[in-house]
Order: sequence, then C-alpha cells, then structure tokens
Amino acid sequence: DQQVKQNSPSLSVQEGRISILNCDYTNSMFDYFLWYKKYPAEGPTFLISISSIKDKNEDGRFTVFLNKSAKHLSLHIVPSQPGDSAVYFCAASAAGGTSYGKLTFGQGTILTVHP
Amino acid sequence: GAGVSQSPSNKVTEKGKDVELRCDPISGHTALYWYRQRLGQGLEFLIYFQGNSAPDKSGLPSDRFSAERTGESVSTLTIQRTQQEDSAVYLCASSEAGQGYEQYFGPGTRLTVT
Repeated sequence: DQQVKQNSPSLSVQEGRISILNCDYTNSMFDYFLWYKKYPAEGPTFLISISSIKDKNEDGRFTVFLNKSAKHLSLHIVPSQPGDSAVYFCAASAAGGTSYGKLTFGQGTILTVHP
Repeated sequence: GAGVSQSPSNKVTEKGKDVELRCDPISGHTALYWYRQRLGQGLEFLIYFQGNSAPDKSGLPSDRFSAERTGESVSTLTIQRTQQEDSAVYLCASSEAGQGYEQYFGPGTRLTVT
C-alpha cells in the first residue's frame, strides 16, 4: 500500500523556468510533509517542509503548497537551475506515539534542468 | 561539522551470510533511523531509535533483521542469512530531540547479495 505517491518518475525543465513536482498521499493522519533532494551516491538532503496547519511555505527559490482536502502537495522551484538536477522525494509523517519521526517516502521524481 | 557517516559504503556478500552495517550519527542527535531503498523505489522505513531504545521496529521486514544502538551514538543493523531480496541501499539518518522530522541522512551502504 503506497501511502505517498509521486506519479511522475521524471521531469525535464529549461533553466530559468519553473519546476513543479507533485505528490499525493492517502493517510489522513499525516500532518507534516517534507521534500528531500538526492544526488547520486549521496544520502537525501532536507529541502523544505510544511505543517498541515499551513497551506504554503516558502524558502528562497523553493515553495511547497499543501492542499489537505485533495491530499496533495507540490514543490515549486523558481527559477530552476542546472544544479537543481537531482531526485526529489516527498515524505510524510504523523506526529505522536511510536510513529514520531517515522517518514513515509514517495518513489521520487528525477528532475533534469537543461541549460 | 561532521555529518552522518556509514560503513562500509559498499558490501557484496554471498546468500546465506550475515552482514553488519554501521551508522555514526551526528554528535548530540538522540534520534536515529534506518531506511532501505531498493532499486527504483522510495525509501522504506525500518527502525527508529530514541536514545538506545527502539520504540518503533515496525519496518523490519523479518526476524533476520535486527538493530542496536549503544551510548546514544553508534548503531549497527545486522542482517542474518542474507537473501537476494535484501540487496538495496541501507540509509541511516539522525535528528535532534524534538526535531524528529528534519532528519539528516548518511550516504548509505549499498548491499549486494549474490
């Protein structure tokens, strides 16, 4: 049962344009969402997060939007740069109890930004 | 400062052998997590430590898998009688107390079972 889904395995974008990565989830208990970026042969690196009490969080070129009713979140990168080329993972967590800190990840989306 | 380190970076083993994977978390991080990433898939949660205790072992796939943590520091993931389906990248992450969501990952150990 895939509770966090990234339906686009890959995305190709021109440098300077917007990159939009999408993520859907099914578990209504999830209340915190994160995006991680991963380069080959490295561990994932935390990028940005959002709590379920918000619908938008912005950090520089990166903005995450959360639509709770649709159980959907997206990561916008504006403007995209070639160095942004990596695998992007969406992750979700439910607070409290023994599940605290346990992240459920999507399958990842490979972003390629062309110069 | 030093990040999360893992050893070995690569491990090739024969089916049926036992393997030990090591994780050194960021100093002072009380929470430690193990994940597994099979080829073409997302990260799969295995186990979570708070201090030296493991309140959540729900992701361990079978009783061949075990993990321990000592001194609120180093953790070892042991896989006994390895099977080919155990082949994956095993990732360790750590976080500060109360910051359980923002986890810092190591580079992973690529395990290949032949």
